[in-house]
Amino acid sequence: EAGVVQSPRYKIIEKKQPVAFWCNPISGHNTLYWYRQNLGQGPELLIRYENEEAVDDSQLPKDRFSAERLKGVDSTLKIQPAELGDSAVYLCASSLFGISGYTFGSGTRLTVV
Amino acid sequence: DAKTTQPTSMDCAEGRAANLPCNHSTISGNEYVYWYRQIHSQGPQYIIHGLKNNETNEMASLIITEDRKSSTLILPHATLRDTAVYYCIVNDGGSNYKLTFGKGTLLTVNP
Repeated sequence: EAGVVQSPRYKIIEKKQPVAFWCNPISGHNTLYWYRQNLGQGPELLIRYENEEAVDDSQLPKDRFSAERLKGVDSTLKIQPAELGDSAVYLCASSLFGISGYTFGSGTRLTVV
Repeated sequence: DAKTTQPTSMDCAEGRAANLPCNHSTISGNEYVYWYRQIHSQGPQYIIHGLKNNETNEMASLIITEDRKSSTLILPHATLRDTAVYYCIVNDGGSNYKLTFGKGTLLTVNP
C-alpha cells in the first residue's frame, strides 16, 4: 500500500503568487481531509470531502483558498494569492468512512517570502 | 468535541516504559479517545483508540479510567524512534468524524 502521497514536498514562493498542492489518497478511501499546521501547533482542519463533495469547509479561507476533488479520488488545494502568513505545512489525510483513524501524507512545507 | 489536556513535554529513558497522560473530564458517553503521534517532518500517525475498555495493539496500550475522565498511553519499551509529539483527541467517531488536534506532548526518549 503506497499510503497518502502529496506533492510537492517543499515549495518556496513569493507573496502574491499562486500555489497548488496535490494529494493522492489511499485507494478506496472515500474521505479526504486537508489540514494546515503552523510551527509548534497541532494540525487544523481546512476542508473535508466525502467522495467528491466538500462536507465541511467552514475553516477554509475562501477569499484566497480553493480546493477540489475530481471524481472523488485525487485532490488539489490552491492558494491565490499567497500571503506571508500562509507559510505552514499542508497535510492531506484520507480514511474509509472515518473509521479506525486517518492516514496522513508527509505534507507540503510552504514558505512564502 | 470534548477538550483534552496534556503535559507540554516529557522525557523517558530508552528501554523504559513511557506513560503519557491525558485529561478529558468533559468527555461524553459516545466519544472515543484517540492517540496519534507526529515524528519530526512527518504527518501524524494513528496509534490506538478506545471507548471505555483498555486497548492494546502492537504499538501501545491505552488505559482509560473507569469514569473515562482521563487516560494514559503506554509505550512499553520506548526507543529513540518514539521521540515525537503525541496527541490525545476525543471524538465521537460518527458521521461528523473530524479530528481536532491540540498541541500535544513532546516525548523525548533519551539514550
